[in-house]
Amino acid sequence: AQSVTQLDSQVPVFEEAPVELRCNYSSSVSVYLFWYVQYPNQGLQLLLKYLSGSTLVKGINGFEAEFNKSQTSFHLRKPSVHISDTAEYFCAVSKLNTGNQFYFGTGTSLTVIP
Amino acid sequence: GAVVSQHPSRVICKSGTSVKIECRSLDFQATTMFWYRQFPKQSLMLMATSNEGSKATYEQGVEKDKFLINHASLTLSTLTVTSAHPEDSSFYICSAKTDFRGGTGELFFGEGSRLTVL
Repeated sequence: AQSVTQLDSQVPVFEEAPVELRCNYSSSVSVYLFWYVQYPNQGLQLLLKYLSGSTLVKGINGFEAEFNKSQTSFHLRKPSVHISDTAEYFCAVSKLNTGNQFYFGTGTSLTVIP
Repeated sequence: GAVVSQHPSRVICKSGTSVKIECRSLDFQATTMFWYRQFPKQSLMLMATSNEGSKATYEQGVEKDKFLINHASLTLSTLTVTSAHPEDSSFYICSAKTDFRGGTGELFFGEGSRLTVL
């Protein structure tokens, strides 16, 4: 079975400081990895995804994530956050070739403090 | 990227009434759409997988007679909450999947629909 763990439910950080949101997964098969952002009362928007190739993935809004197979992690990073980055962030995995099943983490609430 | 639209974004209804939420893929065809429910400060819970032209597949614990799903075309899936009660109040989100390389693709999400049952 697959599972996704986001270790931090809430992350407060000062504006212009760096941030890392952690995500670990467990799976017996190869997976695709995703980070989504959700602003209040909105749906989810894709930040970035890892499918194959380079383990360092760059996404929108200055975010990046690194896939670490040995540690089964896919942590999200941004070198300098803005107030507008305040939102809920979800890590998700999808098994290769299943077509359908996505597994979401419980989410990390990022609050950027002025 | 692909666009998925949900309507209505907010709905308030009386207990015992039924509410329909629409999910449309605006610029692509989606043979499969997904319906999620999200409680405050929690993750998304997959309710069901909606397949065009066939019956939806419900996750364990989700009442199929309470949450009716119809996927009548390649661009429209509907979720009807029948005889709604206050405990059905929640944020409902739909998503549609794009395919690439014949395997799984990313999910595109609608804006969500907040249902409040009085």
